[in-house]
Amino acid sequence: IAGITQAPTSQILAAGRRMTLRCTQDMRHNAMYWYRQDLGLGLRLIHYSNTAGTTGKGEVPDGYSVSRANTDDFPLTLASAVPSQTSVYFCASSAAGGRQETQYFGPGTRLLVL
Amino acid sequence: GQNIDQPTEMTATEGAIVQINCTYQTSGFNGLFWYQQHAGEAPTFLSYNVLDGLEEKGRFSSFLSRSKGYSYLLLKELQMKDSASYLCAVRDGDYKLSFGAGTTVTVRA
Repeated sequence: IAGITQAPTSQILAAGRRMTLRCTQDMRHNAMYWYRQDLGLGLRLIHYSNTAGTTGKGEVPDGYSVSRANTDDFPLTLASAVPSQTSVYFCASSAAGGRQETQYFGPGTRLLVL
Repeated sequence: GQNIDQPTEMTATEGAIVQINCTYQTSGFNGLFWYQQHAGEAPTFLSYNVLDGLEEKGRFSSFLSRSKGYSYLLLKELQMKDSASYLCAVRDGDYKLSFGAGTTVTVRA
């Protein structure tokens, strides 16, 4: 049982480069989420998807894009990375986005933008 | 925006009890969650409250007062493995989770 997997585990990226963080879940959850976690600020929602084919913006969406072509995968793309995007990125999923369902988190991707 | 406040750090002795408070002001309310996060790891679900009152789960209990915008997580019989960050999260009227910055609990022998 894998749950939610994320790749890569960590990455050092030059500013201006494009980067896609991968997230896959095998729980057949409808809703998926991307958060970033920064010291002293807690987890902040970047983008979300309540079901395959739909996406929405969270609290801090600028500089990021997502797609949801199928139920299992929810990649996050940084089109042109900047140092302020240095963070730990967590993907999460829940059975249904519009109801009181628990979110389960992946192991995270640690990204350093230089 | 959402406003969720919890203390930054707490220290307690093994075997003791610690209470982590969380106050919130959000646009709508659809439940409050507590997560545990060990250093370098992902958050893991601890508890969920949507109605006022106390929810008990083994050594951990969580309390909610919706009228006061207040919750607490109670950790009893503290163990060294309980040293972690504890995150308070509120689901708002749009069913989005907003997180507090987390409370780092250090358990001393």
